Amino acid sequence: AQSVTQLGSHVSVSEGALVLLRCNYSSSVPPYLFWYVQYPNQGLQLLLKYTTGATLVKGINGFEAEFKKSETSFHLTKPSAHMSDAAEYFCAVSPMNSGGYQKVTFGTGTKLQVIP
Amino acid sequence: DGGITQSPKYLFRKEGQNVTLSCEQNLNHDAMYWYRQDPGQGLRLIYYSQIVNDFQKGDIAEGYSVSREKKESFPLTVTSAQKNPTAFYLCASKGLAINEQFFGPGTRLTVL
Repeated sequence: AQSVTQLGSHVSVSEGALVLLRCNYSSSVPPYLFWYVQYPNQGLQLLLKYTTGATLVKGINGFEAEFKKSETSFHLTKPSAHMSDAAEYFCAVSPMNSGGYQKVTFGTGTKLQVIP
Repeated sequence: DGGITQSPKYLFRKEGQNVTLSCEQNLNHDAMYWYRQDPGQGLRLIYYSQIVNDFQKGDIAEGYSVSREKKESFPLTVTSAQKNPTAFYLCASKGLAINEQFFGPGTRLTVL
């Protein structure tokens, strides 16, 4: 069984401020973890992913996330928010790939507002 | 360019009508998925297919049907049995050697 909790359905930050979007997961097996971004009326685009190896993962558009097994967290950060970062962000978890079907569980999303 | 296409972008349906949403990919991915997205609920899995001529129900399959006659195509039919079909529908695909799913641009279905 697996689940994802995203704390805060809406987050507002000022342009240039730190972005922190929180994600906690539960998984009965070692997980793969993902962050996706969605702009209005568009599909999801992968920002970054953790599979194995380095726990600090860097993604596109200056975002990064750190896998903390002891805290079962995978929070998304960006040092300085830009107006173009305004979007909805989804955290997702799947079991480490064992071949065959891989069920992905998505969080309910966090809408990021960037204030000029 | 490789990718996933969904058509139409916007779709309007009268109550009691079936409607089919198209999903095509040229990424040579074996697995394809359909999700439904409602505000505040994230993505919920409707159906998935790992291989041609095979598909499985997801978490909310009632009122939906799919087919997988070709590797590239995975159309979704929203039937009149679906009680609340107005939503944003997303198609995704995944290759065997890849960890993440790739998403199409979505179809917004509105029932009038």
